[in-house]
Amino acid sequence: DAKTTQPPSMDCAEGRAANLPCNHSTISGNEYVYWYRQIHSQGPQYIIHGLKNNETNEMASLIITEDRKSSTLILPHATLRDTAVYYCIVRNTGRRALTFGSGTRLQVQP
Amino acid sequence: GAVVSQHPSRVICKSGTSVKIECRSLDFQATTMFWYRQFPKQSLMLMATSNEGSKATYEQGVEKDKFLINHASLTLSTLTVTSAHPEDSSFYICSASNRTGPNTEAFFGQGTRLTVV
Repeated sequence: DAKTTQPPSMDCAEGRAANLPCNHSTISGNEYVYWYRQIHSQGPQYIIHGLKNNETNEMASLIITEDRKSSTLILPHATLRDTAVYYCIVRNTGRRALTFGSGTRLQVQP
Repeated sequence: GAVVSQHPSRVICKSGTSVKIECRSLDFQATTMFWYRQFPKQSLMLMATSNEGSKATYEQGVEKDKFLINHASLTLSTLTVTSAHPEDSSFYICSASNRTGPNTEAFFGQGTRLTVV
């Protein structure tokens, strides 16, 4: 799996958009970008994933650059319950398990 | 999304005893489940891949005789921590997918916090 780089921590004001960046410059053509989050003392929660097109669901939007070397997860209106560690993971066909990096700790401030 | 359930959510055991953790896929069948371990302030580390009807595949450095994995059915995998010691205290998490391939999200259980005293 390609390596990902994320900032260790970010703050966001409640009600504002949270934009979480991820670099994956060694991503290959068949690798998907996944985002998960982990709220304290819980299992990871799936958020969204994509290959090359931008994706949106009820939780978030995923913007992948045209060269696919980076992506941004957008939480459009952050709430206090969005405080968590967010993991950006690149996944290929050869490995079924997800490999977690250190993620970004997002703190939503009231 | 699909639901993966773990039991128990918390367990405290005495040093030297064994503890069994169950992971169930509630609304789908999973031929493969994964077991992770997470120490405080660290990320999730894959321990092993649990395969229905066959032996588990362990990651390097994980003792297969200490962490026994049984995947007896398409909806249940168990992890038994044998002869537990305080250093085995950790957060254990399982995951499963209802499909195969890279375009497939994995779903995680709520985790089991094991404390060995």
